[in-house]
Amino acid sequence: QITLKESGPTLVKPTQTLTLTCTFSGFSLSTSGVGVGWIRQPPGKALEWLALIYWDDDKRYSPSLKSRLTITKDTSKNQVVLTMTNMDPVDTATYYCAHSRNDYGDYKYYFDYWGQGTLVTVSS
Amino acid sequence: QAVLTQPASLSASPGASASLTCTLRSGINVGTYRIYWYQQKPGSPPQYLLRYKSDSDKQQGSGVPSRFSGSKDASANAGILLISGLQSEDEADYYCMIWHSSAVVFGGGTKLTVL
Repeated sequence: QITLKESGPTLVKPTQTLTLTCTFSGFSLSTSGVGVGWIRQPPGKALEWLALIYWDDDKRYSPSLKSRLTITKDTSKNQVVLTMTNMDPVDTATYYCAHSRNDYGDYKYYFDYWGQGTLVTVSS
Repeated sequence: QAVLTQPASLSASPGASASLTCTLRSGINVGTYRIYWYQQKPGSPPQYLLRYKSDSDKQQGSGVPSRFSGSKDASANAGILLISGLQSEDEADYYCMIWHSSAVVFGGGTKLTVL
């Protein structure tokens, strides 16, 4: 059974750095064809993809946010960490992590299991 | 112009069918893309429904009923999620997703109302 859970601060101040942790079970991020991604959703708005880390430590980032994002993994702890610098009120959103996989052998993974998400509010 | 455009809302009656469209930006050929569909109910994370590229290259998500299916309309340059035999529990937001230029792109979502 695959499960994921996001954790981190619920409130950050503008210009601060956000660090979110995704702790998962039911799979290993060292297994070929597996990845973990981060997706966010501002209140009442659409999903926005942020980043994806692959089993081989390859990484992909949203082009519009790439300069602010870093994704890393700790395979031994079954965790993936996302950092986002220079937070702004427009970054207020529910942040989801998701198990990712691919049936084709390329980098175009999809998200088949999602965590419940964590709401992060950016306000002074 | 957004890469993926979805109508903001759609209404349909119980028992009827609903076609949710995901239109790709001009210049991006729908025929070359795998289109993924997600369902999100209020207060819950998205759930993976299915993937569709062609009739010979498609995948149903685990446990997803067969009344959810994918297709494409090449003339409209759009992916389609067809939901047949609508039920009240199908009322939700639906998002399409593709990989474009080495990045994941989500559509703006369609709110489906069953009434």
